[in-house]
Amino acid sequence: SAVISQKPSRDICQRGTSLTIQCQVDSQVTMMFWYRQQPGQSLTLIATANQGSEATYESGFVIDKFPISRPNLTFSTLTVSNMSPEDSSIYLCSVADSNTEAFFGQGTRLTVV
Amino acid sequence: AQSVTQLDSQVPVFEEAPVELRCNYSSSVSVYLFWYVQYPNQGLQLLLKYLSGSTLVKGINGFEAEFNKSQTSFHLRKPSVHISDTAEYFCAVRRNTGGFKTIFGAGTRLFVKA
Repeated sequence: SAVISQKPSRDICQRGTSLTIQCQVDSQVTMMFWYRQQPGQSLTLIATANQGSEATYESGFVIDKFPISRPNLTFSTLTVSNMSPEDSSIYLCSVADSNTEAFFGQGTRLTVV
Repeated sequence: AQSVTQLDSQVPVFEEAPVELRCNYSSSVSVYLFWYVQYPNQGLQLLLKYLSGSTLVKGINGFEAEFNKSQTSFHLRKPSVHISDTAEYFCAVRRNTGGFKTIFGAGTRLFVKA
């Protein structure tokens, strides 16, 4: 199994600002993902973080709003840009390899005021 | 593309009663299937997974699920629930080749009453 650390665990941000969330994994993994869980909702995949290339975004999510970096096989960041109250959610980092389930960090609870 | 439908948004049940949480999936390719649990204000925890082999899968906390390929279902069951089983349960699917992204159902809130 993989141990995933996310920072920050929570934050309260002003609208119009940006927040960068970090995800560190204790081992090299092929695939890293970012999910959003809005209050009382399920997990929605934002994008797949590809090492050495641009992230692959799901429908409804764009790079300008959610830029992602993945400089190596153990680290990724997600930035939530120009935040509005609608961005208040839990953001989760996830990793997976072939023949394994997805492992999740504890999430970043973001409140935009 | 894969998708998951959890047929019940909420399931209230009395303590020590059996429970079944229903999950159907859609996919044009072979898949892996998972059930995760999320307790209030906590992260996701894997309950069980089906990768291959026996269609009856046993997980943690006394839960089990049965993979039914013909009915494209993966229902979660427990013969006797406890108050502590109150949580949100998510069914999830991913293709077993060529991509590892996991798609989640909408979730079922299990509420165990005394």
